Amino acid sequence: AQSVAQPEDQVNVAEGNPLTVKCTYSVSGNPYLFWYVQYPNRGLQFLLKYITGDNLVKGSYGFEAEFNKSQTSFHLKKPSALVSDSALYFCAVILPSGGYNKLIFGAGTRLAVHP
Amino acid sequence: NAGVTQTPKFQVLKTGQSMTLQCAQDMNHNSMYWYRQDPGMGLRLIYYSASEGTTDKGEVPNGYNVSRLNKREFSLRLESAAPSQTSVYFCASSSGTGGWDTQYFGPGTRLTVL
Repeated sequence: AQSVAQPEDQVNVAEGNPLTVKCTYSVSGNPYLFWYVQYPNRGLQFLLKYITGDNLVKGSYGFEAEFNKSQTSFHLKKPSALVSDSALYFCAVILPSGGYNKLIFGAGTRLAVHP
Repeated sequence: NAGVTQTPKFQVLKTGQSMTLQCAQDMNHNSMYWYRQDPGMGLRLIYYSASEGTTDKGEVPNGYNVSRLNKREFSLRLESAAPSQTSVYFCASSSGTGGWDTQYFGPGTRLTVL
């Protein structure tokens, strides 16, 4: 079955340090991968997506993610964390099959950036 | 351009009551979705509508019904609310049904069923 895993419930990082939020997926075929961010009491906001091409994808707010097919991973990264990056981050995957655009979400990782 | 809007923002129901959650988008998107968010479980798809006039079940459809009223509006109805339906509900839309289309989310409805 298609699935996506976020192995860390929470990630803590000091402001100014690099951050990584991990995501691994389990699908057959070539996946489409997404990262979304949710700030408190808000809906999800799109950060970036990987469809095809360059394995390093750049997105909003200075975030980037690296698609690694051999490790079936799509980790979210940022070179220098800000306190305002503190939020809940979701990885999601779609397996294109000619059907509808159904996202499968991971459980989410809470990022806490400390001053 | 408001994007995706949802009403109400908060709702408290008693077991057995019914209610309808409203969703509208002004991006001329073809596809719309209803999700529920529960702690530690991410978002799970309840129903979706690939285009006006069509609806289909998602991962957790039991206890819900939907109506795609027109291209802009997609409502979710709870006919007889149960405590297990306490959750945060999100509506989303995307331009098409292709796997690469980004979904845009509304602000959510926090529902408590007592």
